[in-house]
Amino acid sequence: DAGVIQSPRHEVTEMGQEVTLRCKPISGHDYLFWYRQTMMRGLELLIYFNNNVPIDDSGMPEDRFSAKMPNASFSTLKIQPSEPRDSAVYFCASSSSGTNYGYTFGSGTRLTVV
Amino acid sequence: SQKIEQNSEALNIQEGKTATLTCNYTNYSPAYLQWYRQDPGRGPVFLLLIRENEKEKRKERLKVTFDTTLKQSLFHITASQPADSATYLCAQGSNSGNTPLVFGKGTRLSVIA
Repeated sequence: DAGVIQSPRHEVTEMGQEVTLRCKPISGHDYLFWYRQTMMRGLELLIYFNNNVPIDDSGMPEDRFSAKMPNASFSTLKIQPSEPRDSAVYFCASSSSGTNYGYTFGSGTRLTVV
Repeated sequence: SQKIEQNSEALNIQEGKTATLTCNYTNYSPAYLQWYRQDPGRGPVFLLLIRENEKEKRKERLKVTFDTTLKQSLFHITASQPADSATYLCAQGSNSGNTPLVFGKGTRLSVIA
Protein backbone atom coordinates (compact mmCIF):
# COMPACT_ATOMS: atom_id res chain seq x y z
CA ASP A 1 0.00 0.00 0.00
CA ALA A 2 1.31 3.47 -0.86
CA GLY A 3 0.09 4.86 2.45
CA VAL A 4 -2.24 7.82 2.92
CA ILE A 5 -1.99 10.08 -0.11
CA GLN A 6 -2.69 13.79 0.11
CA SER A 7 -2.77 16.39 -2.62
CA PRO A 8 -1.59 18.96 -3.28
CA ARG A 9 1.59 19.03 -1.18
CA HIS A 10 1.70 22.80 -1.27
CA GLU A 11 -1.00 25.34 -2.00
CA VAL A 12 -0.61 29.10 -2.17
CA THR A 13 -3.80 31.02 -2.72
CA GLU A 14 -5.17 34.50 -2.36
CA MET A 15 -7.53 35.46 0.40
CA GLY A 16 -11.13 34.86 -0.59
CA GLN A 17 -10.39 31.97 -2.96
CA GLU A 18 -11.75 28.47 -2.56
CA VAL A 19 -9.27 25.76 -1.56
CA THR A 20 -9.84 22.01 -1.83
CA LEU A 21 -7.56 19.51 -0.15
CA ARG A 22 -7.73 15.84 -1.08
CA CYS A 23 -7.02 12.60 0.70
CA LYS A 24 -6.90 8.91 -0.22
CA PRO A 25 -6.83 6.74 2.91
CA ILE A 26 -5.34 3.29 3.23
CA SER A 27 -7.57 0.63 1.74
CA GLY A 28 -9.51 -1.21 4.45
CA HIS A 29 -9.21 1.52 7.07
CA ASP A 30 -12.63 2.52 8.37
CA TYR A 31 -11.65 5.77 10.12
CA LEU A 32 -10.47 8.96 8.46
CA PHE A 33 -9.33 12.08 10.31
CA TRP A 34 -8.50 15.62 9.23
CA TYR A 35 -6.04 17.47 11.48
CA ARG A 36 -4.51 20.93 11.21
CA GLN A 37 -1.02 21.67 12.55
CA THR A 38 0.38 25.07 13.51
CA MET A 39 3.33 26.05 15.68
CA MET A 40 1.07 27.77 18.18
CA ARG A 41 -1.61 25.11 18.59
CA GLY A 42 0.03 21.87 17.49
CA LEU A 43 -2.16 19.17 15.90
CA GLU A 44 -5.87 19.94 16.16
CA LEU A 45 -8.64 17.61 15.05
CA LEU A 46 -11.02 19.19 12.56
CA ILE A 47 -13.38 16.34 11.68
CA TYR A 48 -13.44 12.58 11.50
CA PHE A 49 -15.39 9.95 9.59
CA ASN A 50 -16.28 6.35 10.33
CA ASN A 51 -17.30 4.21 7.36
CA ASN A 52 -17.63 7.39 5.27
CA VAL A 53 -20.05 9.02 7.75
CA PRO A 54 -19.02 12.24 9.53
CA ILE A 55 -19.02 11.57 13.26
CA ASP A 56 -17.76 14.77 14.85
CA ASP A 57 -17.09 18.07 13.13
CA SER A 58 -16.93 20.19 16.28
CA GLY A 59 -13.31 21.01 15.51
CA MET A 60 -14.13 22.71 12.22
CA PRO A 61 -13.36 26.36 12.94
CA GLU A 62 -16.17 28.00 10.98
CA ASP A 63 -18.81 27.46 8.36
CA ARG A 64 -16.15 28.29 5.82
CA PHE A 65 -14.79 24.78 6.35
CA SER A 66 -16.53 21.70 5.00
CA ALA A 67 -15.49 18.07 4.50
CA LYS A 68 -16.91 15.17 2.55
CA MET A 69 -16.18 11.51 2.14
CA PRO A 70 -18.20 10.28 -0.85
CA ASN A 71 -16.65 6.80 -0.72
CA ALA A 72 -14.17 4.73 1.25
CA SER A 73 -11.21 5.79 -0.87
CA PHE A 74 -11.58 9.55 -1.07
CA SER A 75 -12.15 12.59 1.14
CA THR A 76 -11.99 16.33 0.61
CA LEU A 77 -11.60 19.31 2.91
CA LYS A 78 -12.80 22.58 1.44
CA ILE A 79 -12.26 26.12 2.67
CA GLN A 80 -14.42 28.80 1.09
CA PRO A 81 -13.56 31.64 1.31
CA SER A 82 -10.00 31.21 2.54
CA GLU A 83 -8.39 33.67 4.97
CA PRO A 84 -4.73 34.25 5.97
CA ARG A 85 -5.37 32.70 9.40
CA ASP A 86 -6.16 29.40 7.67
CA SER A 87 -2.48 29.08 6.76
CA ALA A 88 -1.25 25.82 8.29
CA VAL A 89 -0.33 22.25 7.43
CA TYR A 90 -3.38 20.05 6.98
CA PHE A 91 -3.01 16.34 7.60
CA CYS A 92 -5.25 13.47 6.72
CA ALA A 93 -4.90 10.23 8.69
CA SER A 94 -6.62 6.88 8.58
CA SER A 95 -6.89 3.97 10.97
CA SER A 96 -8.53 0.63 11.43
CA SER A 97 -10.61 0.14 14.56
CA GLY A 98 -9.45 -2.54 16.90
CA THR A 99 -5.77 -2.43 15.96
CA ASN A 100 -2.71 -1.48 17.97
CA TYR A 101 -1.00 0.26 15.09
CA GLY A 102 -2.10 3.84 15.57
CA TYR A 103 -2.92 6.26 12.84
CA THR A 104 -1.26 6.44 9.45
CA PHE A 105 -0.76 10.03 8.40
CA GLY A 106 -0.29 11.48 4.95
CA SER A 107 2.53 13.88 4.19
CA GLY A 108 0.24 16.86 4.61
CA THR A 109 -0.75 19.88 2.55
CA ARG A 110 1.00 23.12 3.43
CA LEU A 111 -1.54 25.88 2.81
CA THR A 112 -0.51 29.51 2.55
CA VAL A 113 -3.21 32.13 2.15
CA VAL A 114 -1.88 35.56 1.17
CA SER B 1 -11.63 18.94 28.22
CA GLN B 2 -8.79 16.54 27.58
CA LYS B 3 -5.40 18.09 27.95
CA ILE B 4 -2.05 16.54 27.22
CA GLU B 5 1.22 18.35 27.73
CA GLN B 6 4.77 17.72 26.67
CA ASN B 7 6.81 19.80 29.04
CA SER B 8 9.86 20.41 26.88
CA GLU B 9 9.69 22.14 23.54
CA ALA B 10 13.22 21.08 22.75
CA LEU B 11 15.81 18.67 24.12
CA ASN B 12 19.49 18.42 23.14
CA ILE B 13 21.53 15.37 24.09
CA GLN B 14 24.88 13.85 23.24
CA GLU B 15 25.07 10.86 20.92
CA GLY B 16 25.10 7.58 22.84
CA LYS B 17 23.15 8.94 25.82
CA THR B 18 19.58 8.06 26.72
CA ALA B 19 16.96 10.63 25.75
CA THR B 20 13.93 10.87 28.03
CA LEU B 21 10.82 12.76 26.94
CA THR B 22 7.87 13.47 29.22
CA CYS B 23 4.14 13.55 28.55
CA ASN B 24 1.60 14.57 31.22
CA TYR B 25 -2.17 14.39 31.02
CA THR B 26 -4.82 16.16 33.09
CA ASN B 27 -8.61 16.30 33.34
CA TYR B 28 -8.89 12.85 31.86
CA SER B 29 -7.70 9.27 32.29
CA PRO B 30 -6.78 7.90 28.88
CA ALA B 31 -7.22 4.24 28.12
CA TYR B 32 -3.95 4.31 26.20
CA LEU B 33 -1.18 6.60 25.07
CA GLN B 34 0.60 6.60 21.74
CA TRP B 35 3.93 8.03 20.68
CA TYR B 36 4.73 9.32 17.20
CA ARG B 37 7.82 10.60 15.44
CA GLN B 38 7.57 13.55 13.03
CA ASP B 39 10.34 14.64 10.68
CA PRO B 40 10.32 18.11 9.04
CA GLY B 41 7.89 18.29 6.14
CA ARG B 42 6.41 14.88 6.91
CA GLY B 43 3.40 13.51 8.74
CA PRO B 44 3.70 11.86 12.16
CA VAL B 45 4.69 8.20 12.15
CA PHE B 46 3.34 5.81 14.78
CA LEU B 47 5.96 4.28 17.10
CA LEU B 48 4.38 2.69 20.17
CA LEU B 49 1.09 2.25 22.00
CA ILE B 50 0.84 1.57 25.74
CA ARG B 51 -2.38 0.77 27.56
CA GLU B 52 -3.36 1.95 31.03
CA ASN B 53 -2.88 -1.53 32.50
CA GLU B 54 0.66 -1.80 31.09
CA LYS B 55 3.57 -0.33 33.02
CA GLU B 56 6.14 -0.53 30.25
CA LYS B 57 6.46 -1.30 26.55
CA ARG B 58 9.65 -1.78 24.54
CA LYS B 59 10.55 -1.77 20.87
CA GLU B 60 14.22 -2.04 19.93
CA ARG B 61 15.92 1.03 21.48
CA LEU B 62 12.61 2.59 22.51
CA LYS B 63 10.90 2.23 25.87
CA VAL B 64 7.64 3.79 27.02
CA THR B 65 6.22 3.82 30.54
CA PHE B 66 2.73 4.69 31.75
CA ASP B 67 2.26 5.86 35.35
CA THR B 68 -1.44 6.37 36.12
CA THR B 69 -0.64 7.72 39.59
CA LEU B 70 1.59 10.48 38.29
CA LYS B 71 -0.57 10.85 35.14
CA GLN B 72 2.58 10.66 33.11
CA SER B 73 4.24 8.75 30.30
CA LEU B 74 7.99 8.69 29.73
CA PHE B 75 9.53 7.93 26.35
CA HIS B 76 13.14 6.75 26.33
CA ILE B 77 15.55 6.32 23.43
CA THR B 78 18.65 4.43 24.52
CA ALA B 79 22.03 4.73 22.76
CA SER B 80 20.70 7.76 20.88
CA GLN B 81 21.97 8.54 17.38
CA PRO B 82 21.88 11.70 15.25
CA ALA B 83 19.28 9.91 13.08
CA ASP B 84 16.93 9.96 16.09
CA SER B 85 16.71 13.75 15.80
CA ALA B 86 13.06 14.60 15.18
CA THR B 87 9.95 15.87 16.93
CA TYR B 88 8.21 13.31 19.11
CA LEU B 89 4.50 13.60 19.83
CA CYS B 90 2.46 11.85 22.46
CA ALA B 91 -1.28 11.34 22.09
CA GLN B 92 -4.01 10.11 24.37
CA GLY B 93 -6.90 7.92 23.38
CA SER B 94 -10.06 6.46 24.82
CA ASN B 95 -11.82 3.17 24.34
CA SER B 96 -15.13 5.01 24.29
CA GLY B 97 -16.42 4.82 20.74
CA ASN B 98 -12.96 5.18 19.27
CA THR B 99 -12.68 8.83 20.29
CA PRO B 100 -9.98 10.47 18.17
CA LEU B 101 -6.50 10.97 19.53
CA VAL B 102 -5.64 14.23 21.27
CA PHE B 103 -2.03 15.18 20.60
CA GLY B 104 0.54 17.08 22.60
CA LYS B 105 2.54 19.80 20.87
CA GLY B 106 5.64 17.65 20.70
CA THR B 107 9.24 17.76 21.85
CA ARG B 108 11.97 18.48 19.33
CA LEU B 109 14.92 16.20 20.02
CA SER B 110 18.39 16.97 18.72
CA VAL B 111 21.09 14.31 19.12
CA ILE B 112 24.52 15.88 18.79
CA ALA B 113 27.40 13.81 17.44
